[in-house]
Parts: sequence; C-alpha cells; structure tokens
Amino acid sequence: KAGVTQTPRYLIKTRGQQVTLSCSPISGHRSVSWYQQTPGQGLQFLFEYFSETQRNKGNFPGRFSGRQFSNSRSEMNVSTLELGDSALYLCASSRGEPGSYEQYFGPGTRLTVT
Amino acid sequence: GQNIDQPTEMTATEGAIVQINCTYQTSGFNGLFWYQQHAGEAPTFLSYNVLDGLEEKGRFSSFLSRSKGYSYLLLKELQMKDSASYLCAVRPPYSGAGSYQLTFGKGTKLSVIP
Repeated sequence: KAGVTQTPRYLIKTRGQQVTLSCSPISGHRSVSWYQQTPGQGLQFLFEYFSETQRNKGNFPGRFSGRQFSNSRSEMNVSTLELGDSALYLCASSRGEPGSYEQYFGPGTRLTVT
Repeated sequence: GQNIDQPTEMTATEGAIVQINCTYQTSGFNGLFWYQQHAGEAPTFLSYNVLDGLEEKGRFSSFLSRSKGYSYLLLKELQMKDSASYLCAVRPPYSGAGSYQLTFGKGTKLSVIP
C-alpha cells in the first residue's frame, strides 16, 4: 500500500506571496490532518479534514486555509507569507472513524520564506 | 487548553533501558500517543494508550496513568537506530470520535551511545 505523499518537498517563497501544498493520503483513508513543525514550537495542529469537511481547526490565523477533495486528497494554502511561516508542513492520514487511532505522516514540505 | 511536558534531551547506552516521561495538564482526555521521529524524517506511530496501564509492543512499552496525567515510553535493549526524537501527543475529548486534533509535546531527543 502506498504511503502518504506530499508535494512539493521543498519550496522557497518571498514574504507576501502565497503558497499551496498538496497531500495525498493512503488509499481508503478519509481523514487528513495538517501540522506545522518548527524548532521552537514543535508540532502544532493546523486543521483536519474528513470527507471534504473541516472537522477541527487549530489556533492559526485565517491566512492558513485548506480543503479536501472527493478523492480525499487535500491542499493547504498560506496567503501573505511571513518569515515566521518558514517550517516543515506535515500532513497525516487516517481512517478517521471511531475506534481508529493510527495516523500516518507524509514526508513533509519544507517551506522557506525569505 | 492542553500543556504537555517532556524532557528536552536524554542520553543512554546501547543495550540499556531508558524511560521517557510525559506529563500533561488538560481539561479532558481522549487518548495519548507516542511517535518516533528521526532527524529529517516524518514522525512514525509507536503506541496509543486510552486506559490506565502498560501496553507492550516488542522492545517498546508505553504506560498511562490518567489520574496523574502521566505517561512514559520504555525502550529496552537500546540500539543505535533508536537515536531519535520521541513525541508525546494527547487527543482532547472535544475533537470528536476518530478525530486527530492532537496536541504534541516538544519532543525528547534521545541519543544512544556505544
């Protein structure tokens, strides 16, 4: 079974630009969660999508948004990039059903904002 | 909110046993996870505890005490490849059944020395 894939793996943007990151979950998984990882703050939850609906949202500004498509693939968008948005963005997939608890992470997208 | 504390760094000798502690203060609780993350890689799932007690899985065991807000990850017969960061994460009760809004600790960097 193929794992979670994320594209692109590396990205360099300048302040003020916007960026879109993509995540393809494991086949059959309907939940996709997004996390931001930085050395100072560690892993922080951004949002979770399940069956095309945002199910939960973390404490990030509205510049961070996402969506999920009918095939469970998900995208996240960051607008008006700031230097502090430089981070590793990880997505994770799971079945997302009651009783499920295993979550599988993708390799991440390393975003650098200059 | 949720607050999760773990030691920042630990060092242990190859072949030995090491215990990584995690304490959490939350307004509710719906499961505790441990993940392993090697440098430059994505986190991988190690264990999940929702009830008090010890869960054993090969060389790794995880313990939970909900009344004390305390968990530990026990690694036996340490190998050099166990050098990694170990992340403790809690799922809040309001996140919904099957949901993955996890709050992570900042991780414990374990170094295994010969």
